[in-house]
Amino acid sequence: DQQVKQNSPSLSVQEGRISILNCDYTNSMFDYFLWYKKYPAEGPTFLISISSIKDKNEDGRFTVFLNKSAKHLSLHIVPSQPGDSAVYFCAASAYFGNQFYFGTGTSLTVIP
Amino acid sequence: DGGITQSPKYLFRKEGQNVTLSCEQNLNHDAMYWYRQDPGQGLRLIYYSQIVNDFQKGDIAEGYSVSREKKESFPLTVTSAQKNPTAFYLCASSIGRAENTEAFFGQGTRLTVV
Repeated sequence: DQQVKQNSPSLSVQEGRISILNCDYTNSMFDYFLWYKKYPAEGPTFLISISSIKDKNEDGRFTVFLNKSAKHLSLHIVPSQPGDSAVYFCAASAYFGNQFYFGTGTSLTVIP
Repeated sequence: DGGITQSPKYLFRKEGQNVTLSCEQNLNHDAMYWYRQDPGQGLRLIYYSQIVNDFQKGDIAEGYSVSREKKESFPLTVTSAQKNPTAFYLCASSIGRAENTEAFFGQGTRLTVV
């Protein structure tokens, strides 16, 4: 049972435009959310996170938005760059939780 | 230079053989994790360990075994009982419980069973 879902397997965006990656979750106990970026044959690298007490967190070109009532979060990348082309994973954890739950990933392609 | 080291990067084994994947971290993290990545299935948790000499099964533990004899090391053995062992394996660690913190990943091991 997938508790974290990324329903878009792929996304293509023109360089300079905004990329919006979406993530939904089902477990209301989740209170910490993370985004990871992954290149082929490499391990994921942490990008940005958000606690459930916030609805927005920004770090440079990356902003994560959290809508708790809808159990939905999104990652905005502005402006998108060709180097952003990678697979992005959404992840979640719960208070007192012992594991991270990952989505299936969205492959982003930024077209020069 | 702190981090997580997985070795080897590529591994080939014959069907029916057990194989052990190495994972070492020098981040002084208490928790360590093993994930498996298959195309279109994201990262699935195999085993995790919160402290030395203790570990718990994840969602897909069948056919795998682990040990945690040292804080720095969390090796994964893929046994002959694992029906479909060919995959990309990722080791991760976090400072403690998976709450309000991030997991750091190694570079992965690509296991191919022929």
